[in-house]
Amino acid sequence: DVKVTQSSRYLVKRTGEKVFLECVQDMDHENMFWYRQDPGLGLRLIYFSYDVKMKEKGDIPEGYSVSREKKERFSLILESASTNQTSMYLCASTLDQGMDGYTFGSGTRLTVV
Amino acid sequence: DQQVKQNSPSLSVQEGRISILNCDYTNSMFDYFLWYKKYPAEGPTFLISISSIKDKNEDGRFTVFLNKSAKHLSLHIVPSQPGDSAVYFCAATNTGTASKLTFGTGTRLQVTL
Repeated sequence: DVKVTQSSRYLVKRTGEKVFLECVQDMDHENMFWYRQDPGLGLRLIYFSYDVKMKEKGDIPEGYSVSREKKERFSLILESASTNQTSMYLCASTLDQGMDGYTFGSGTRLTVV
Repeated sequence: DQQVKQNSPSLSVQEGRISILNCDYTNSMFDYFLWYKKYPAEGPTFLISISSIKDKNEDGRFTVFLNKSAKHLSLHIVPSQPGDSAVYFCAATNTGTASKLTFGTGTRLQVTL
């Protein structure tokens, strides 16, 4: 089975800190995604990547950046954390055009104080 | 602009009865639809999907119906079981362009004894 691993389950950071959320998948998937989940808003796409060093903005990229230096790893960066970035962050990967469904990690609950 | 909407935030159903979860979309370019199930503290898991060339897809207790003219899909769970209690997200994509999925806001299903 494909495994998507997010390095932290829970994080608490201070306003203004630079925050790194790491995601690693072990099945050689080309496509990787970062979503955030908020009550009443569902899952919203932040950034995605089709290949190493490739990145595309999703629906809510403001305040975030990403890095994909290796195929298996996709990092989400909060340049200067703010309280409105308190959320559940979910990483996902897929081999093709998503028609077999994404495989998600367990999520990182980030609280910015 | 929410392109995929789940208008019922929650649903309660008795064990053994049918659960019907609904989803509406506005983007006529979507041609592939998926349902995901999410338990607390876990990432969403793929449940069932349907292509726009079909109007029904069945997998065990789960059936997804698609009404393209109404831009509406529904997930039927028969019979409902307590283990089905979770948040359900519908998602949509255009397979001709990118692999990214657009998710709905989610419906929390509670199956009672």
